[in-house]
Amino acid sequence: GQNIDQPTEMTATEGAIVQINCTYQTSGFNGLFWYQQHAGEAPTFLSYNVLDGLEEKGRFSSFLSRSKGYSYLLLKELQMKDSASYLCAVRPSWNTDKLIFGTGTRLQVFP
Amino acid sequence: IAGITQAPTSQILAAGRRMTLRCTQDMRHNAMYWYRQDLGLGLRLIHYSNTAGTTGKGEVPDGYSVSRANTDDFPLTLASAVPSQTSVYFCASSAGTKADTQYFGPGTRLTVL
Repeated sequence: GQNIDQPTEMTATEGAIVQINCTYQTSGFNGLFWYQQHAGEAPTFLSYNVLDGLEEKGRFSSFLSRSKGYSYLLLKELQMKDSASYLCAVRPSWNTDKLIFGTGTRLQVFP
Repeated sequence: IAGITQAPTSQILAAGRRMTLRCTQDMRHNAMYWYRQDLGLGLRLIHYSNTAGTTGKGEVPDGYSVSRANTDDFPLTLASAVPSQTSVYFCASSAGTKADTQYFGPGTRLTVL
């Protein structure tokens, strides 16, 4: 079966650091994506990991451990505009771009 | 236009009616996808198309059909809508070279009464 787990909700304070975890059990693995989705809007691409390690992009970083079936998204210097849902998605197959999504983590940032 | 557009933005539909949700992309992407998003269930794939002229079933295809007559358009049809099809529908596309990011349209909010 295919399973992707993320916490349902998290809260944090403006200026702080938050880590959103994602664990996956899929039939195959060919990359892990993080998307950001503000309420009432479409998901937008944040990051992509296919090899183990940390990918840094400004205030956002994403980490992958394939042996542990684990990823996290790290958000630094949180801003109010970071309040959104964060979706973890796995591409299980090498021969298509199809994705399996987790149910998302709703992050609320408070002043 | 730039990216992916969807129409309508929202729709209220009587049960039993036929409805087609439209999706158009101008990025010349080979692959296109339809998802539904429901609270607590996340994004679930309905149908996909790896290239013009081909389609495939996703996780929740029942009650939906698609066609891919050309590269740009990927309409989703509900032949006879039911209340359980009330959802937000997102269309997405990717270049389709098997290592690409999916990009999403703005979504259609559909209510079936």
